[in-house]
Amino acid sequence: EAQVTQNPRYLITVTGKKLTVTCSQNMNHEYMSWYRQDPGLGLRQIYYSMNVEVTDKGDVPEGYKVSRKEKRNFPLILESPSPNQTSLYFCASSTHPGVPNTEAFFGQGTRLTVV
Amino acid sequence: AQKVTQAQTEISVVEKEDVTLDCVYETRDTTYYLFWYKQPPSGELVFLIRRNSFDEQNEISGRYSWNFQKSTSSFNFTITASQVVDSAVYFCALSGTSGNTPLVFGKGTRLSVIA
Repeated sequence: EAQVTQNPRYLITVTGKKLTVTCSQNMNHEYMSWYRQDPGLGLRQIYYSMNVEVTDKGDVPEGYKVSRKEKRNFPLILESPSPNQTSLYFCASSTHPGVPNTEAFFGQGTRLTVV
Repeated sequence: AQKVTQAQTEISVVEKEDVTLDCVYETRDTTYYLFWYKQPPSGELVFLIRRNSFDEQNEISGRYSWNFQKSTSSFNFTITASQVVDSAVYFCALSGTSGNTPLVFGKGTRLSVIA
């Protein structure tokens, strides 16, 4: 079954304590990205990756890091989380956006609370 | 820059009514994709439809239909004979066709269908 798996689904942490949210896809997709969803703001892209070892900033990258050492994994790293990073996070993967019939598959979301 | 506007923040309808969710987009690309996603109360994002910019045919899938009008840059979504299970937040999204164009989301429309 094609899927994008995020872990954990829920996380409560304290300010400044480094954390990693993992994302893994089993579709051999080149393109992966991270979004955060906040009330009234919709989904905004944090980082994206077009292939292994190729990553770039999205619209709201401050306070986040990513890595793409393998095609299937795209972890999101918060080196020093702050309360304004409390949000619902989604990982997505797809074939190259220029490919006809591309579709983004989303993970189930990670609800992060930073206190 | 690309932008998606969903002017309706919240809509409430009574079951069996028809409802249309509006989506207006801005892009300088000549080729692009438009999407609708559903986010039920459980939080996951469910893909509904993708439309290529060069295909202006309207589409119907069961009780769902989509009206794409390039002349007005709109991609509206209609649910016919709404049901309580249609209650969700609906997102319209836009993507270019080059590798570094993210999926840009509108802020979403929360639909409540009342029995």
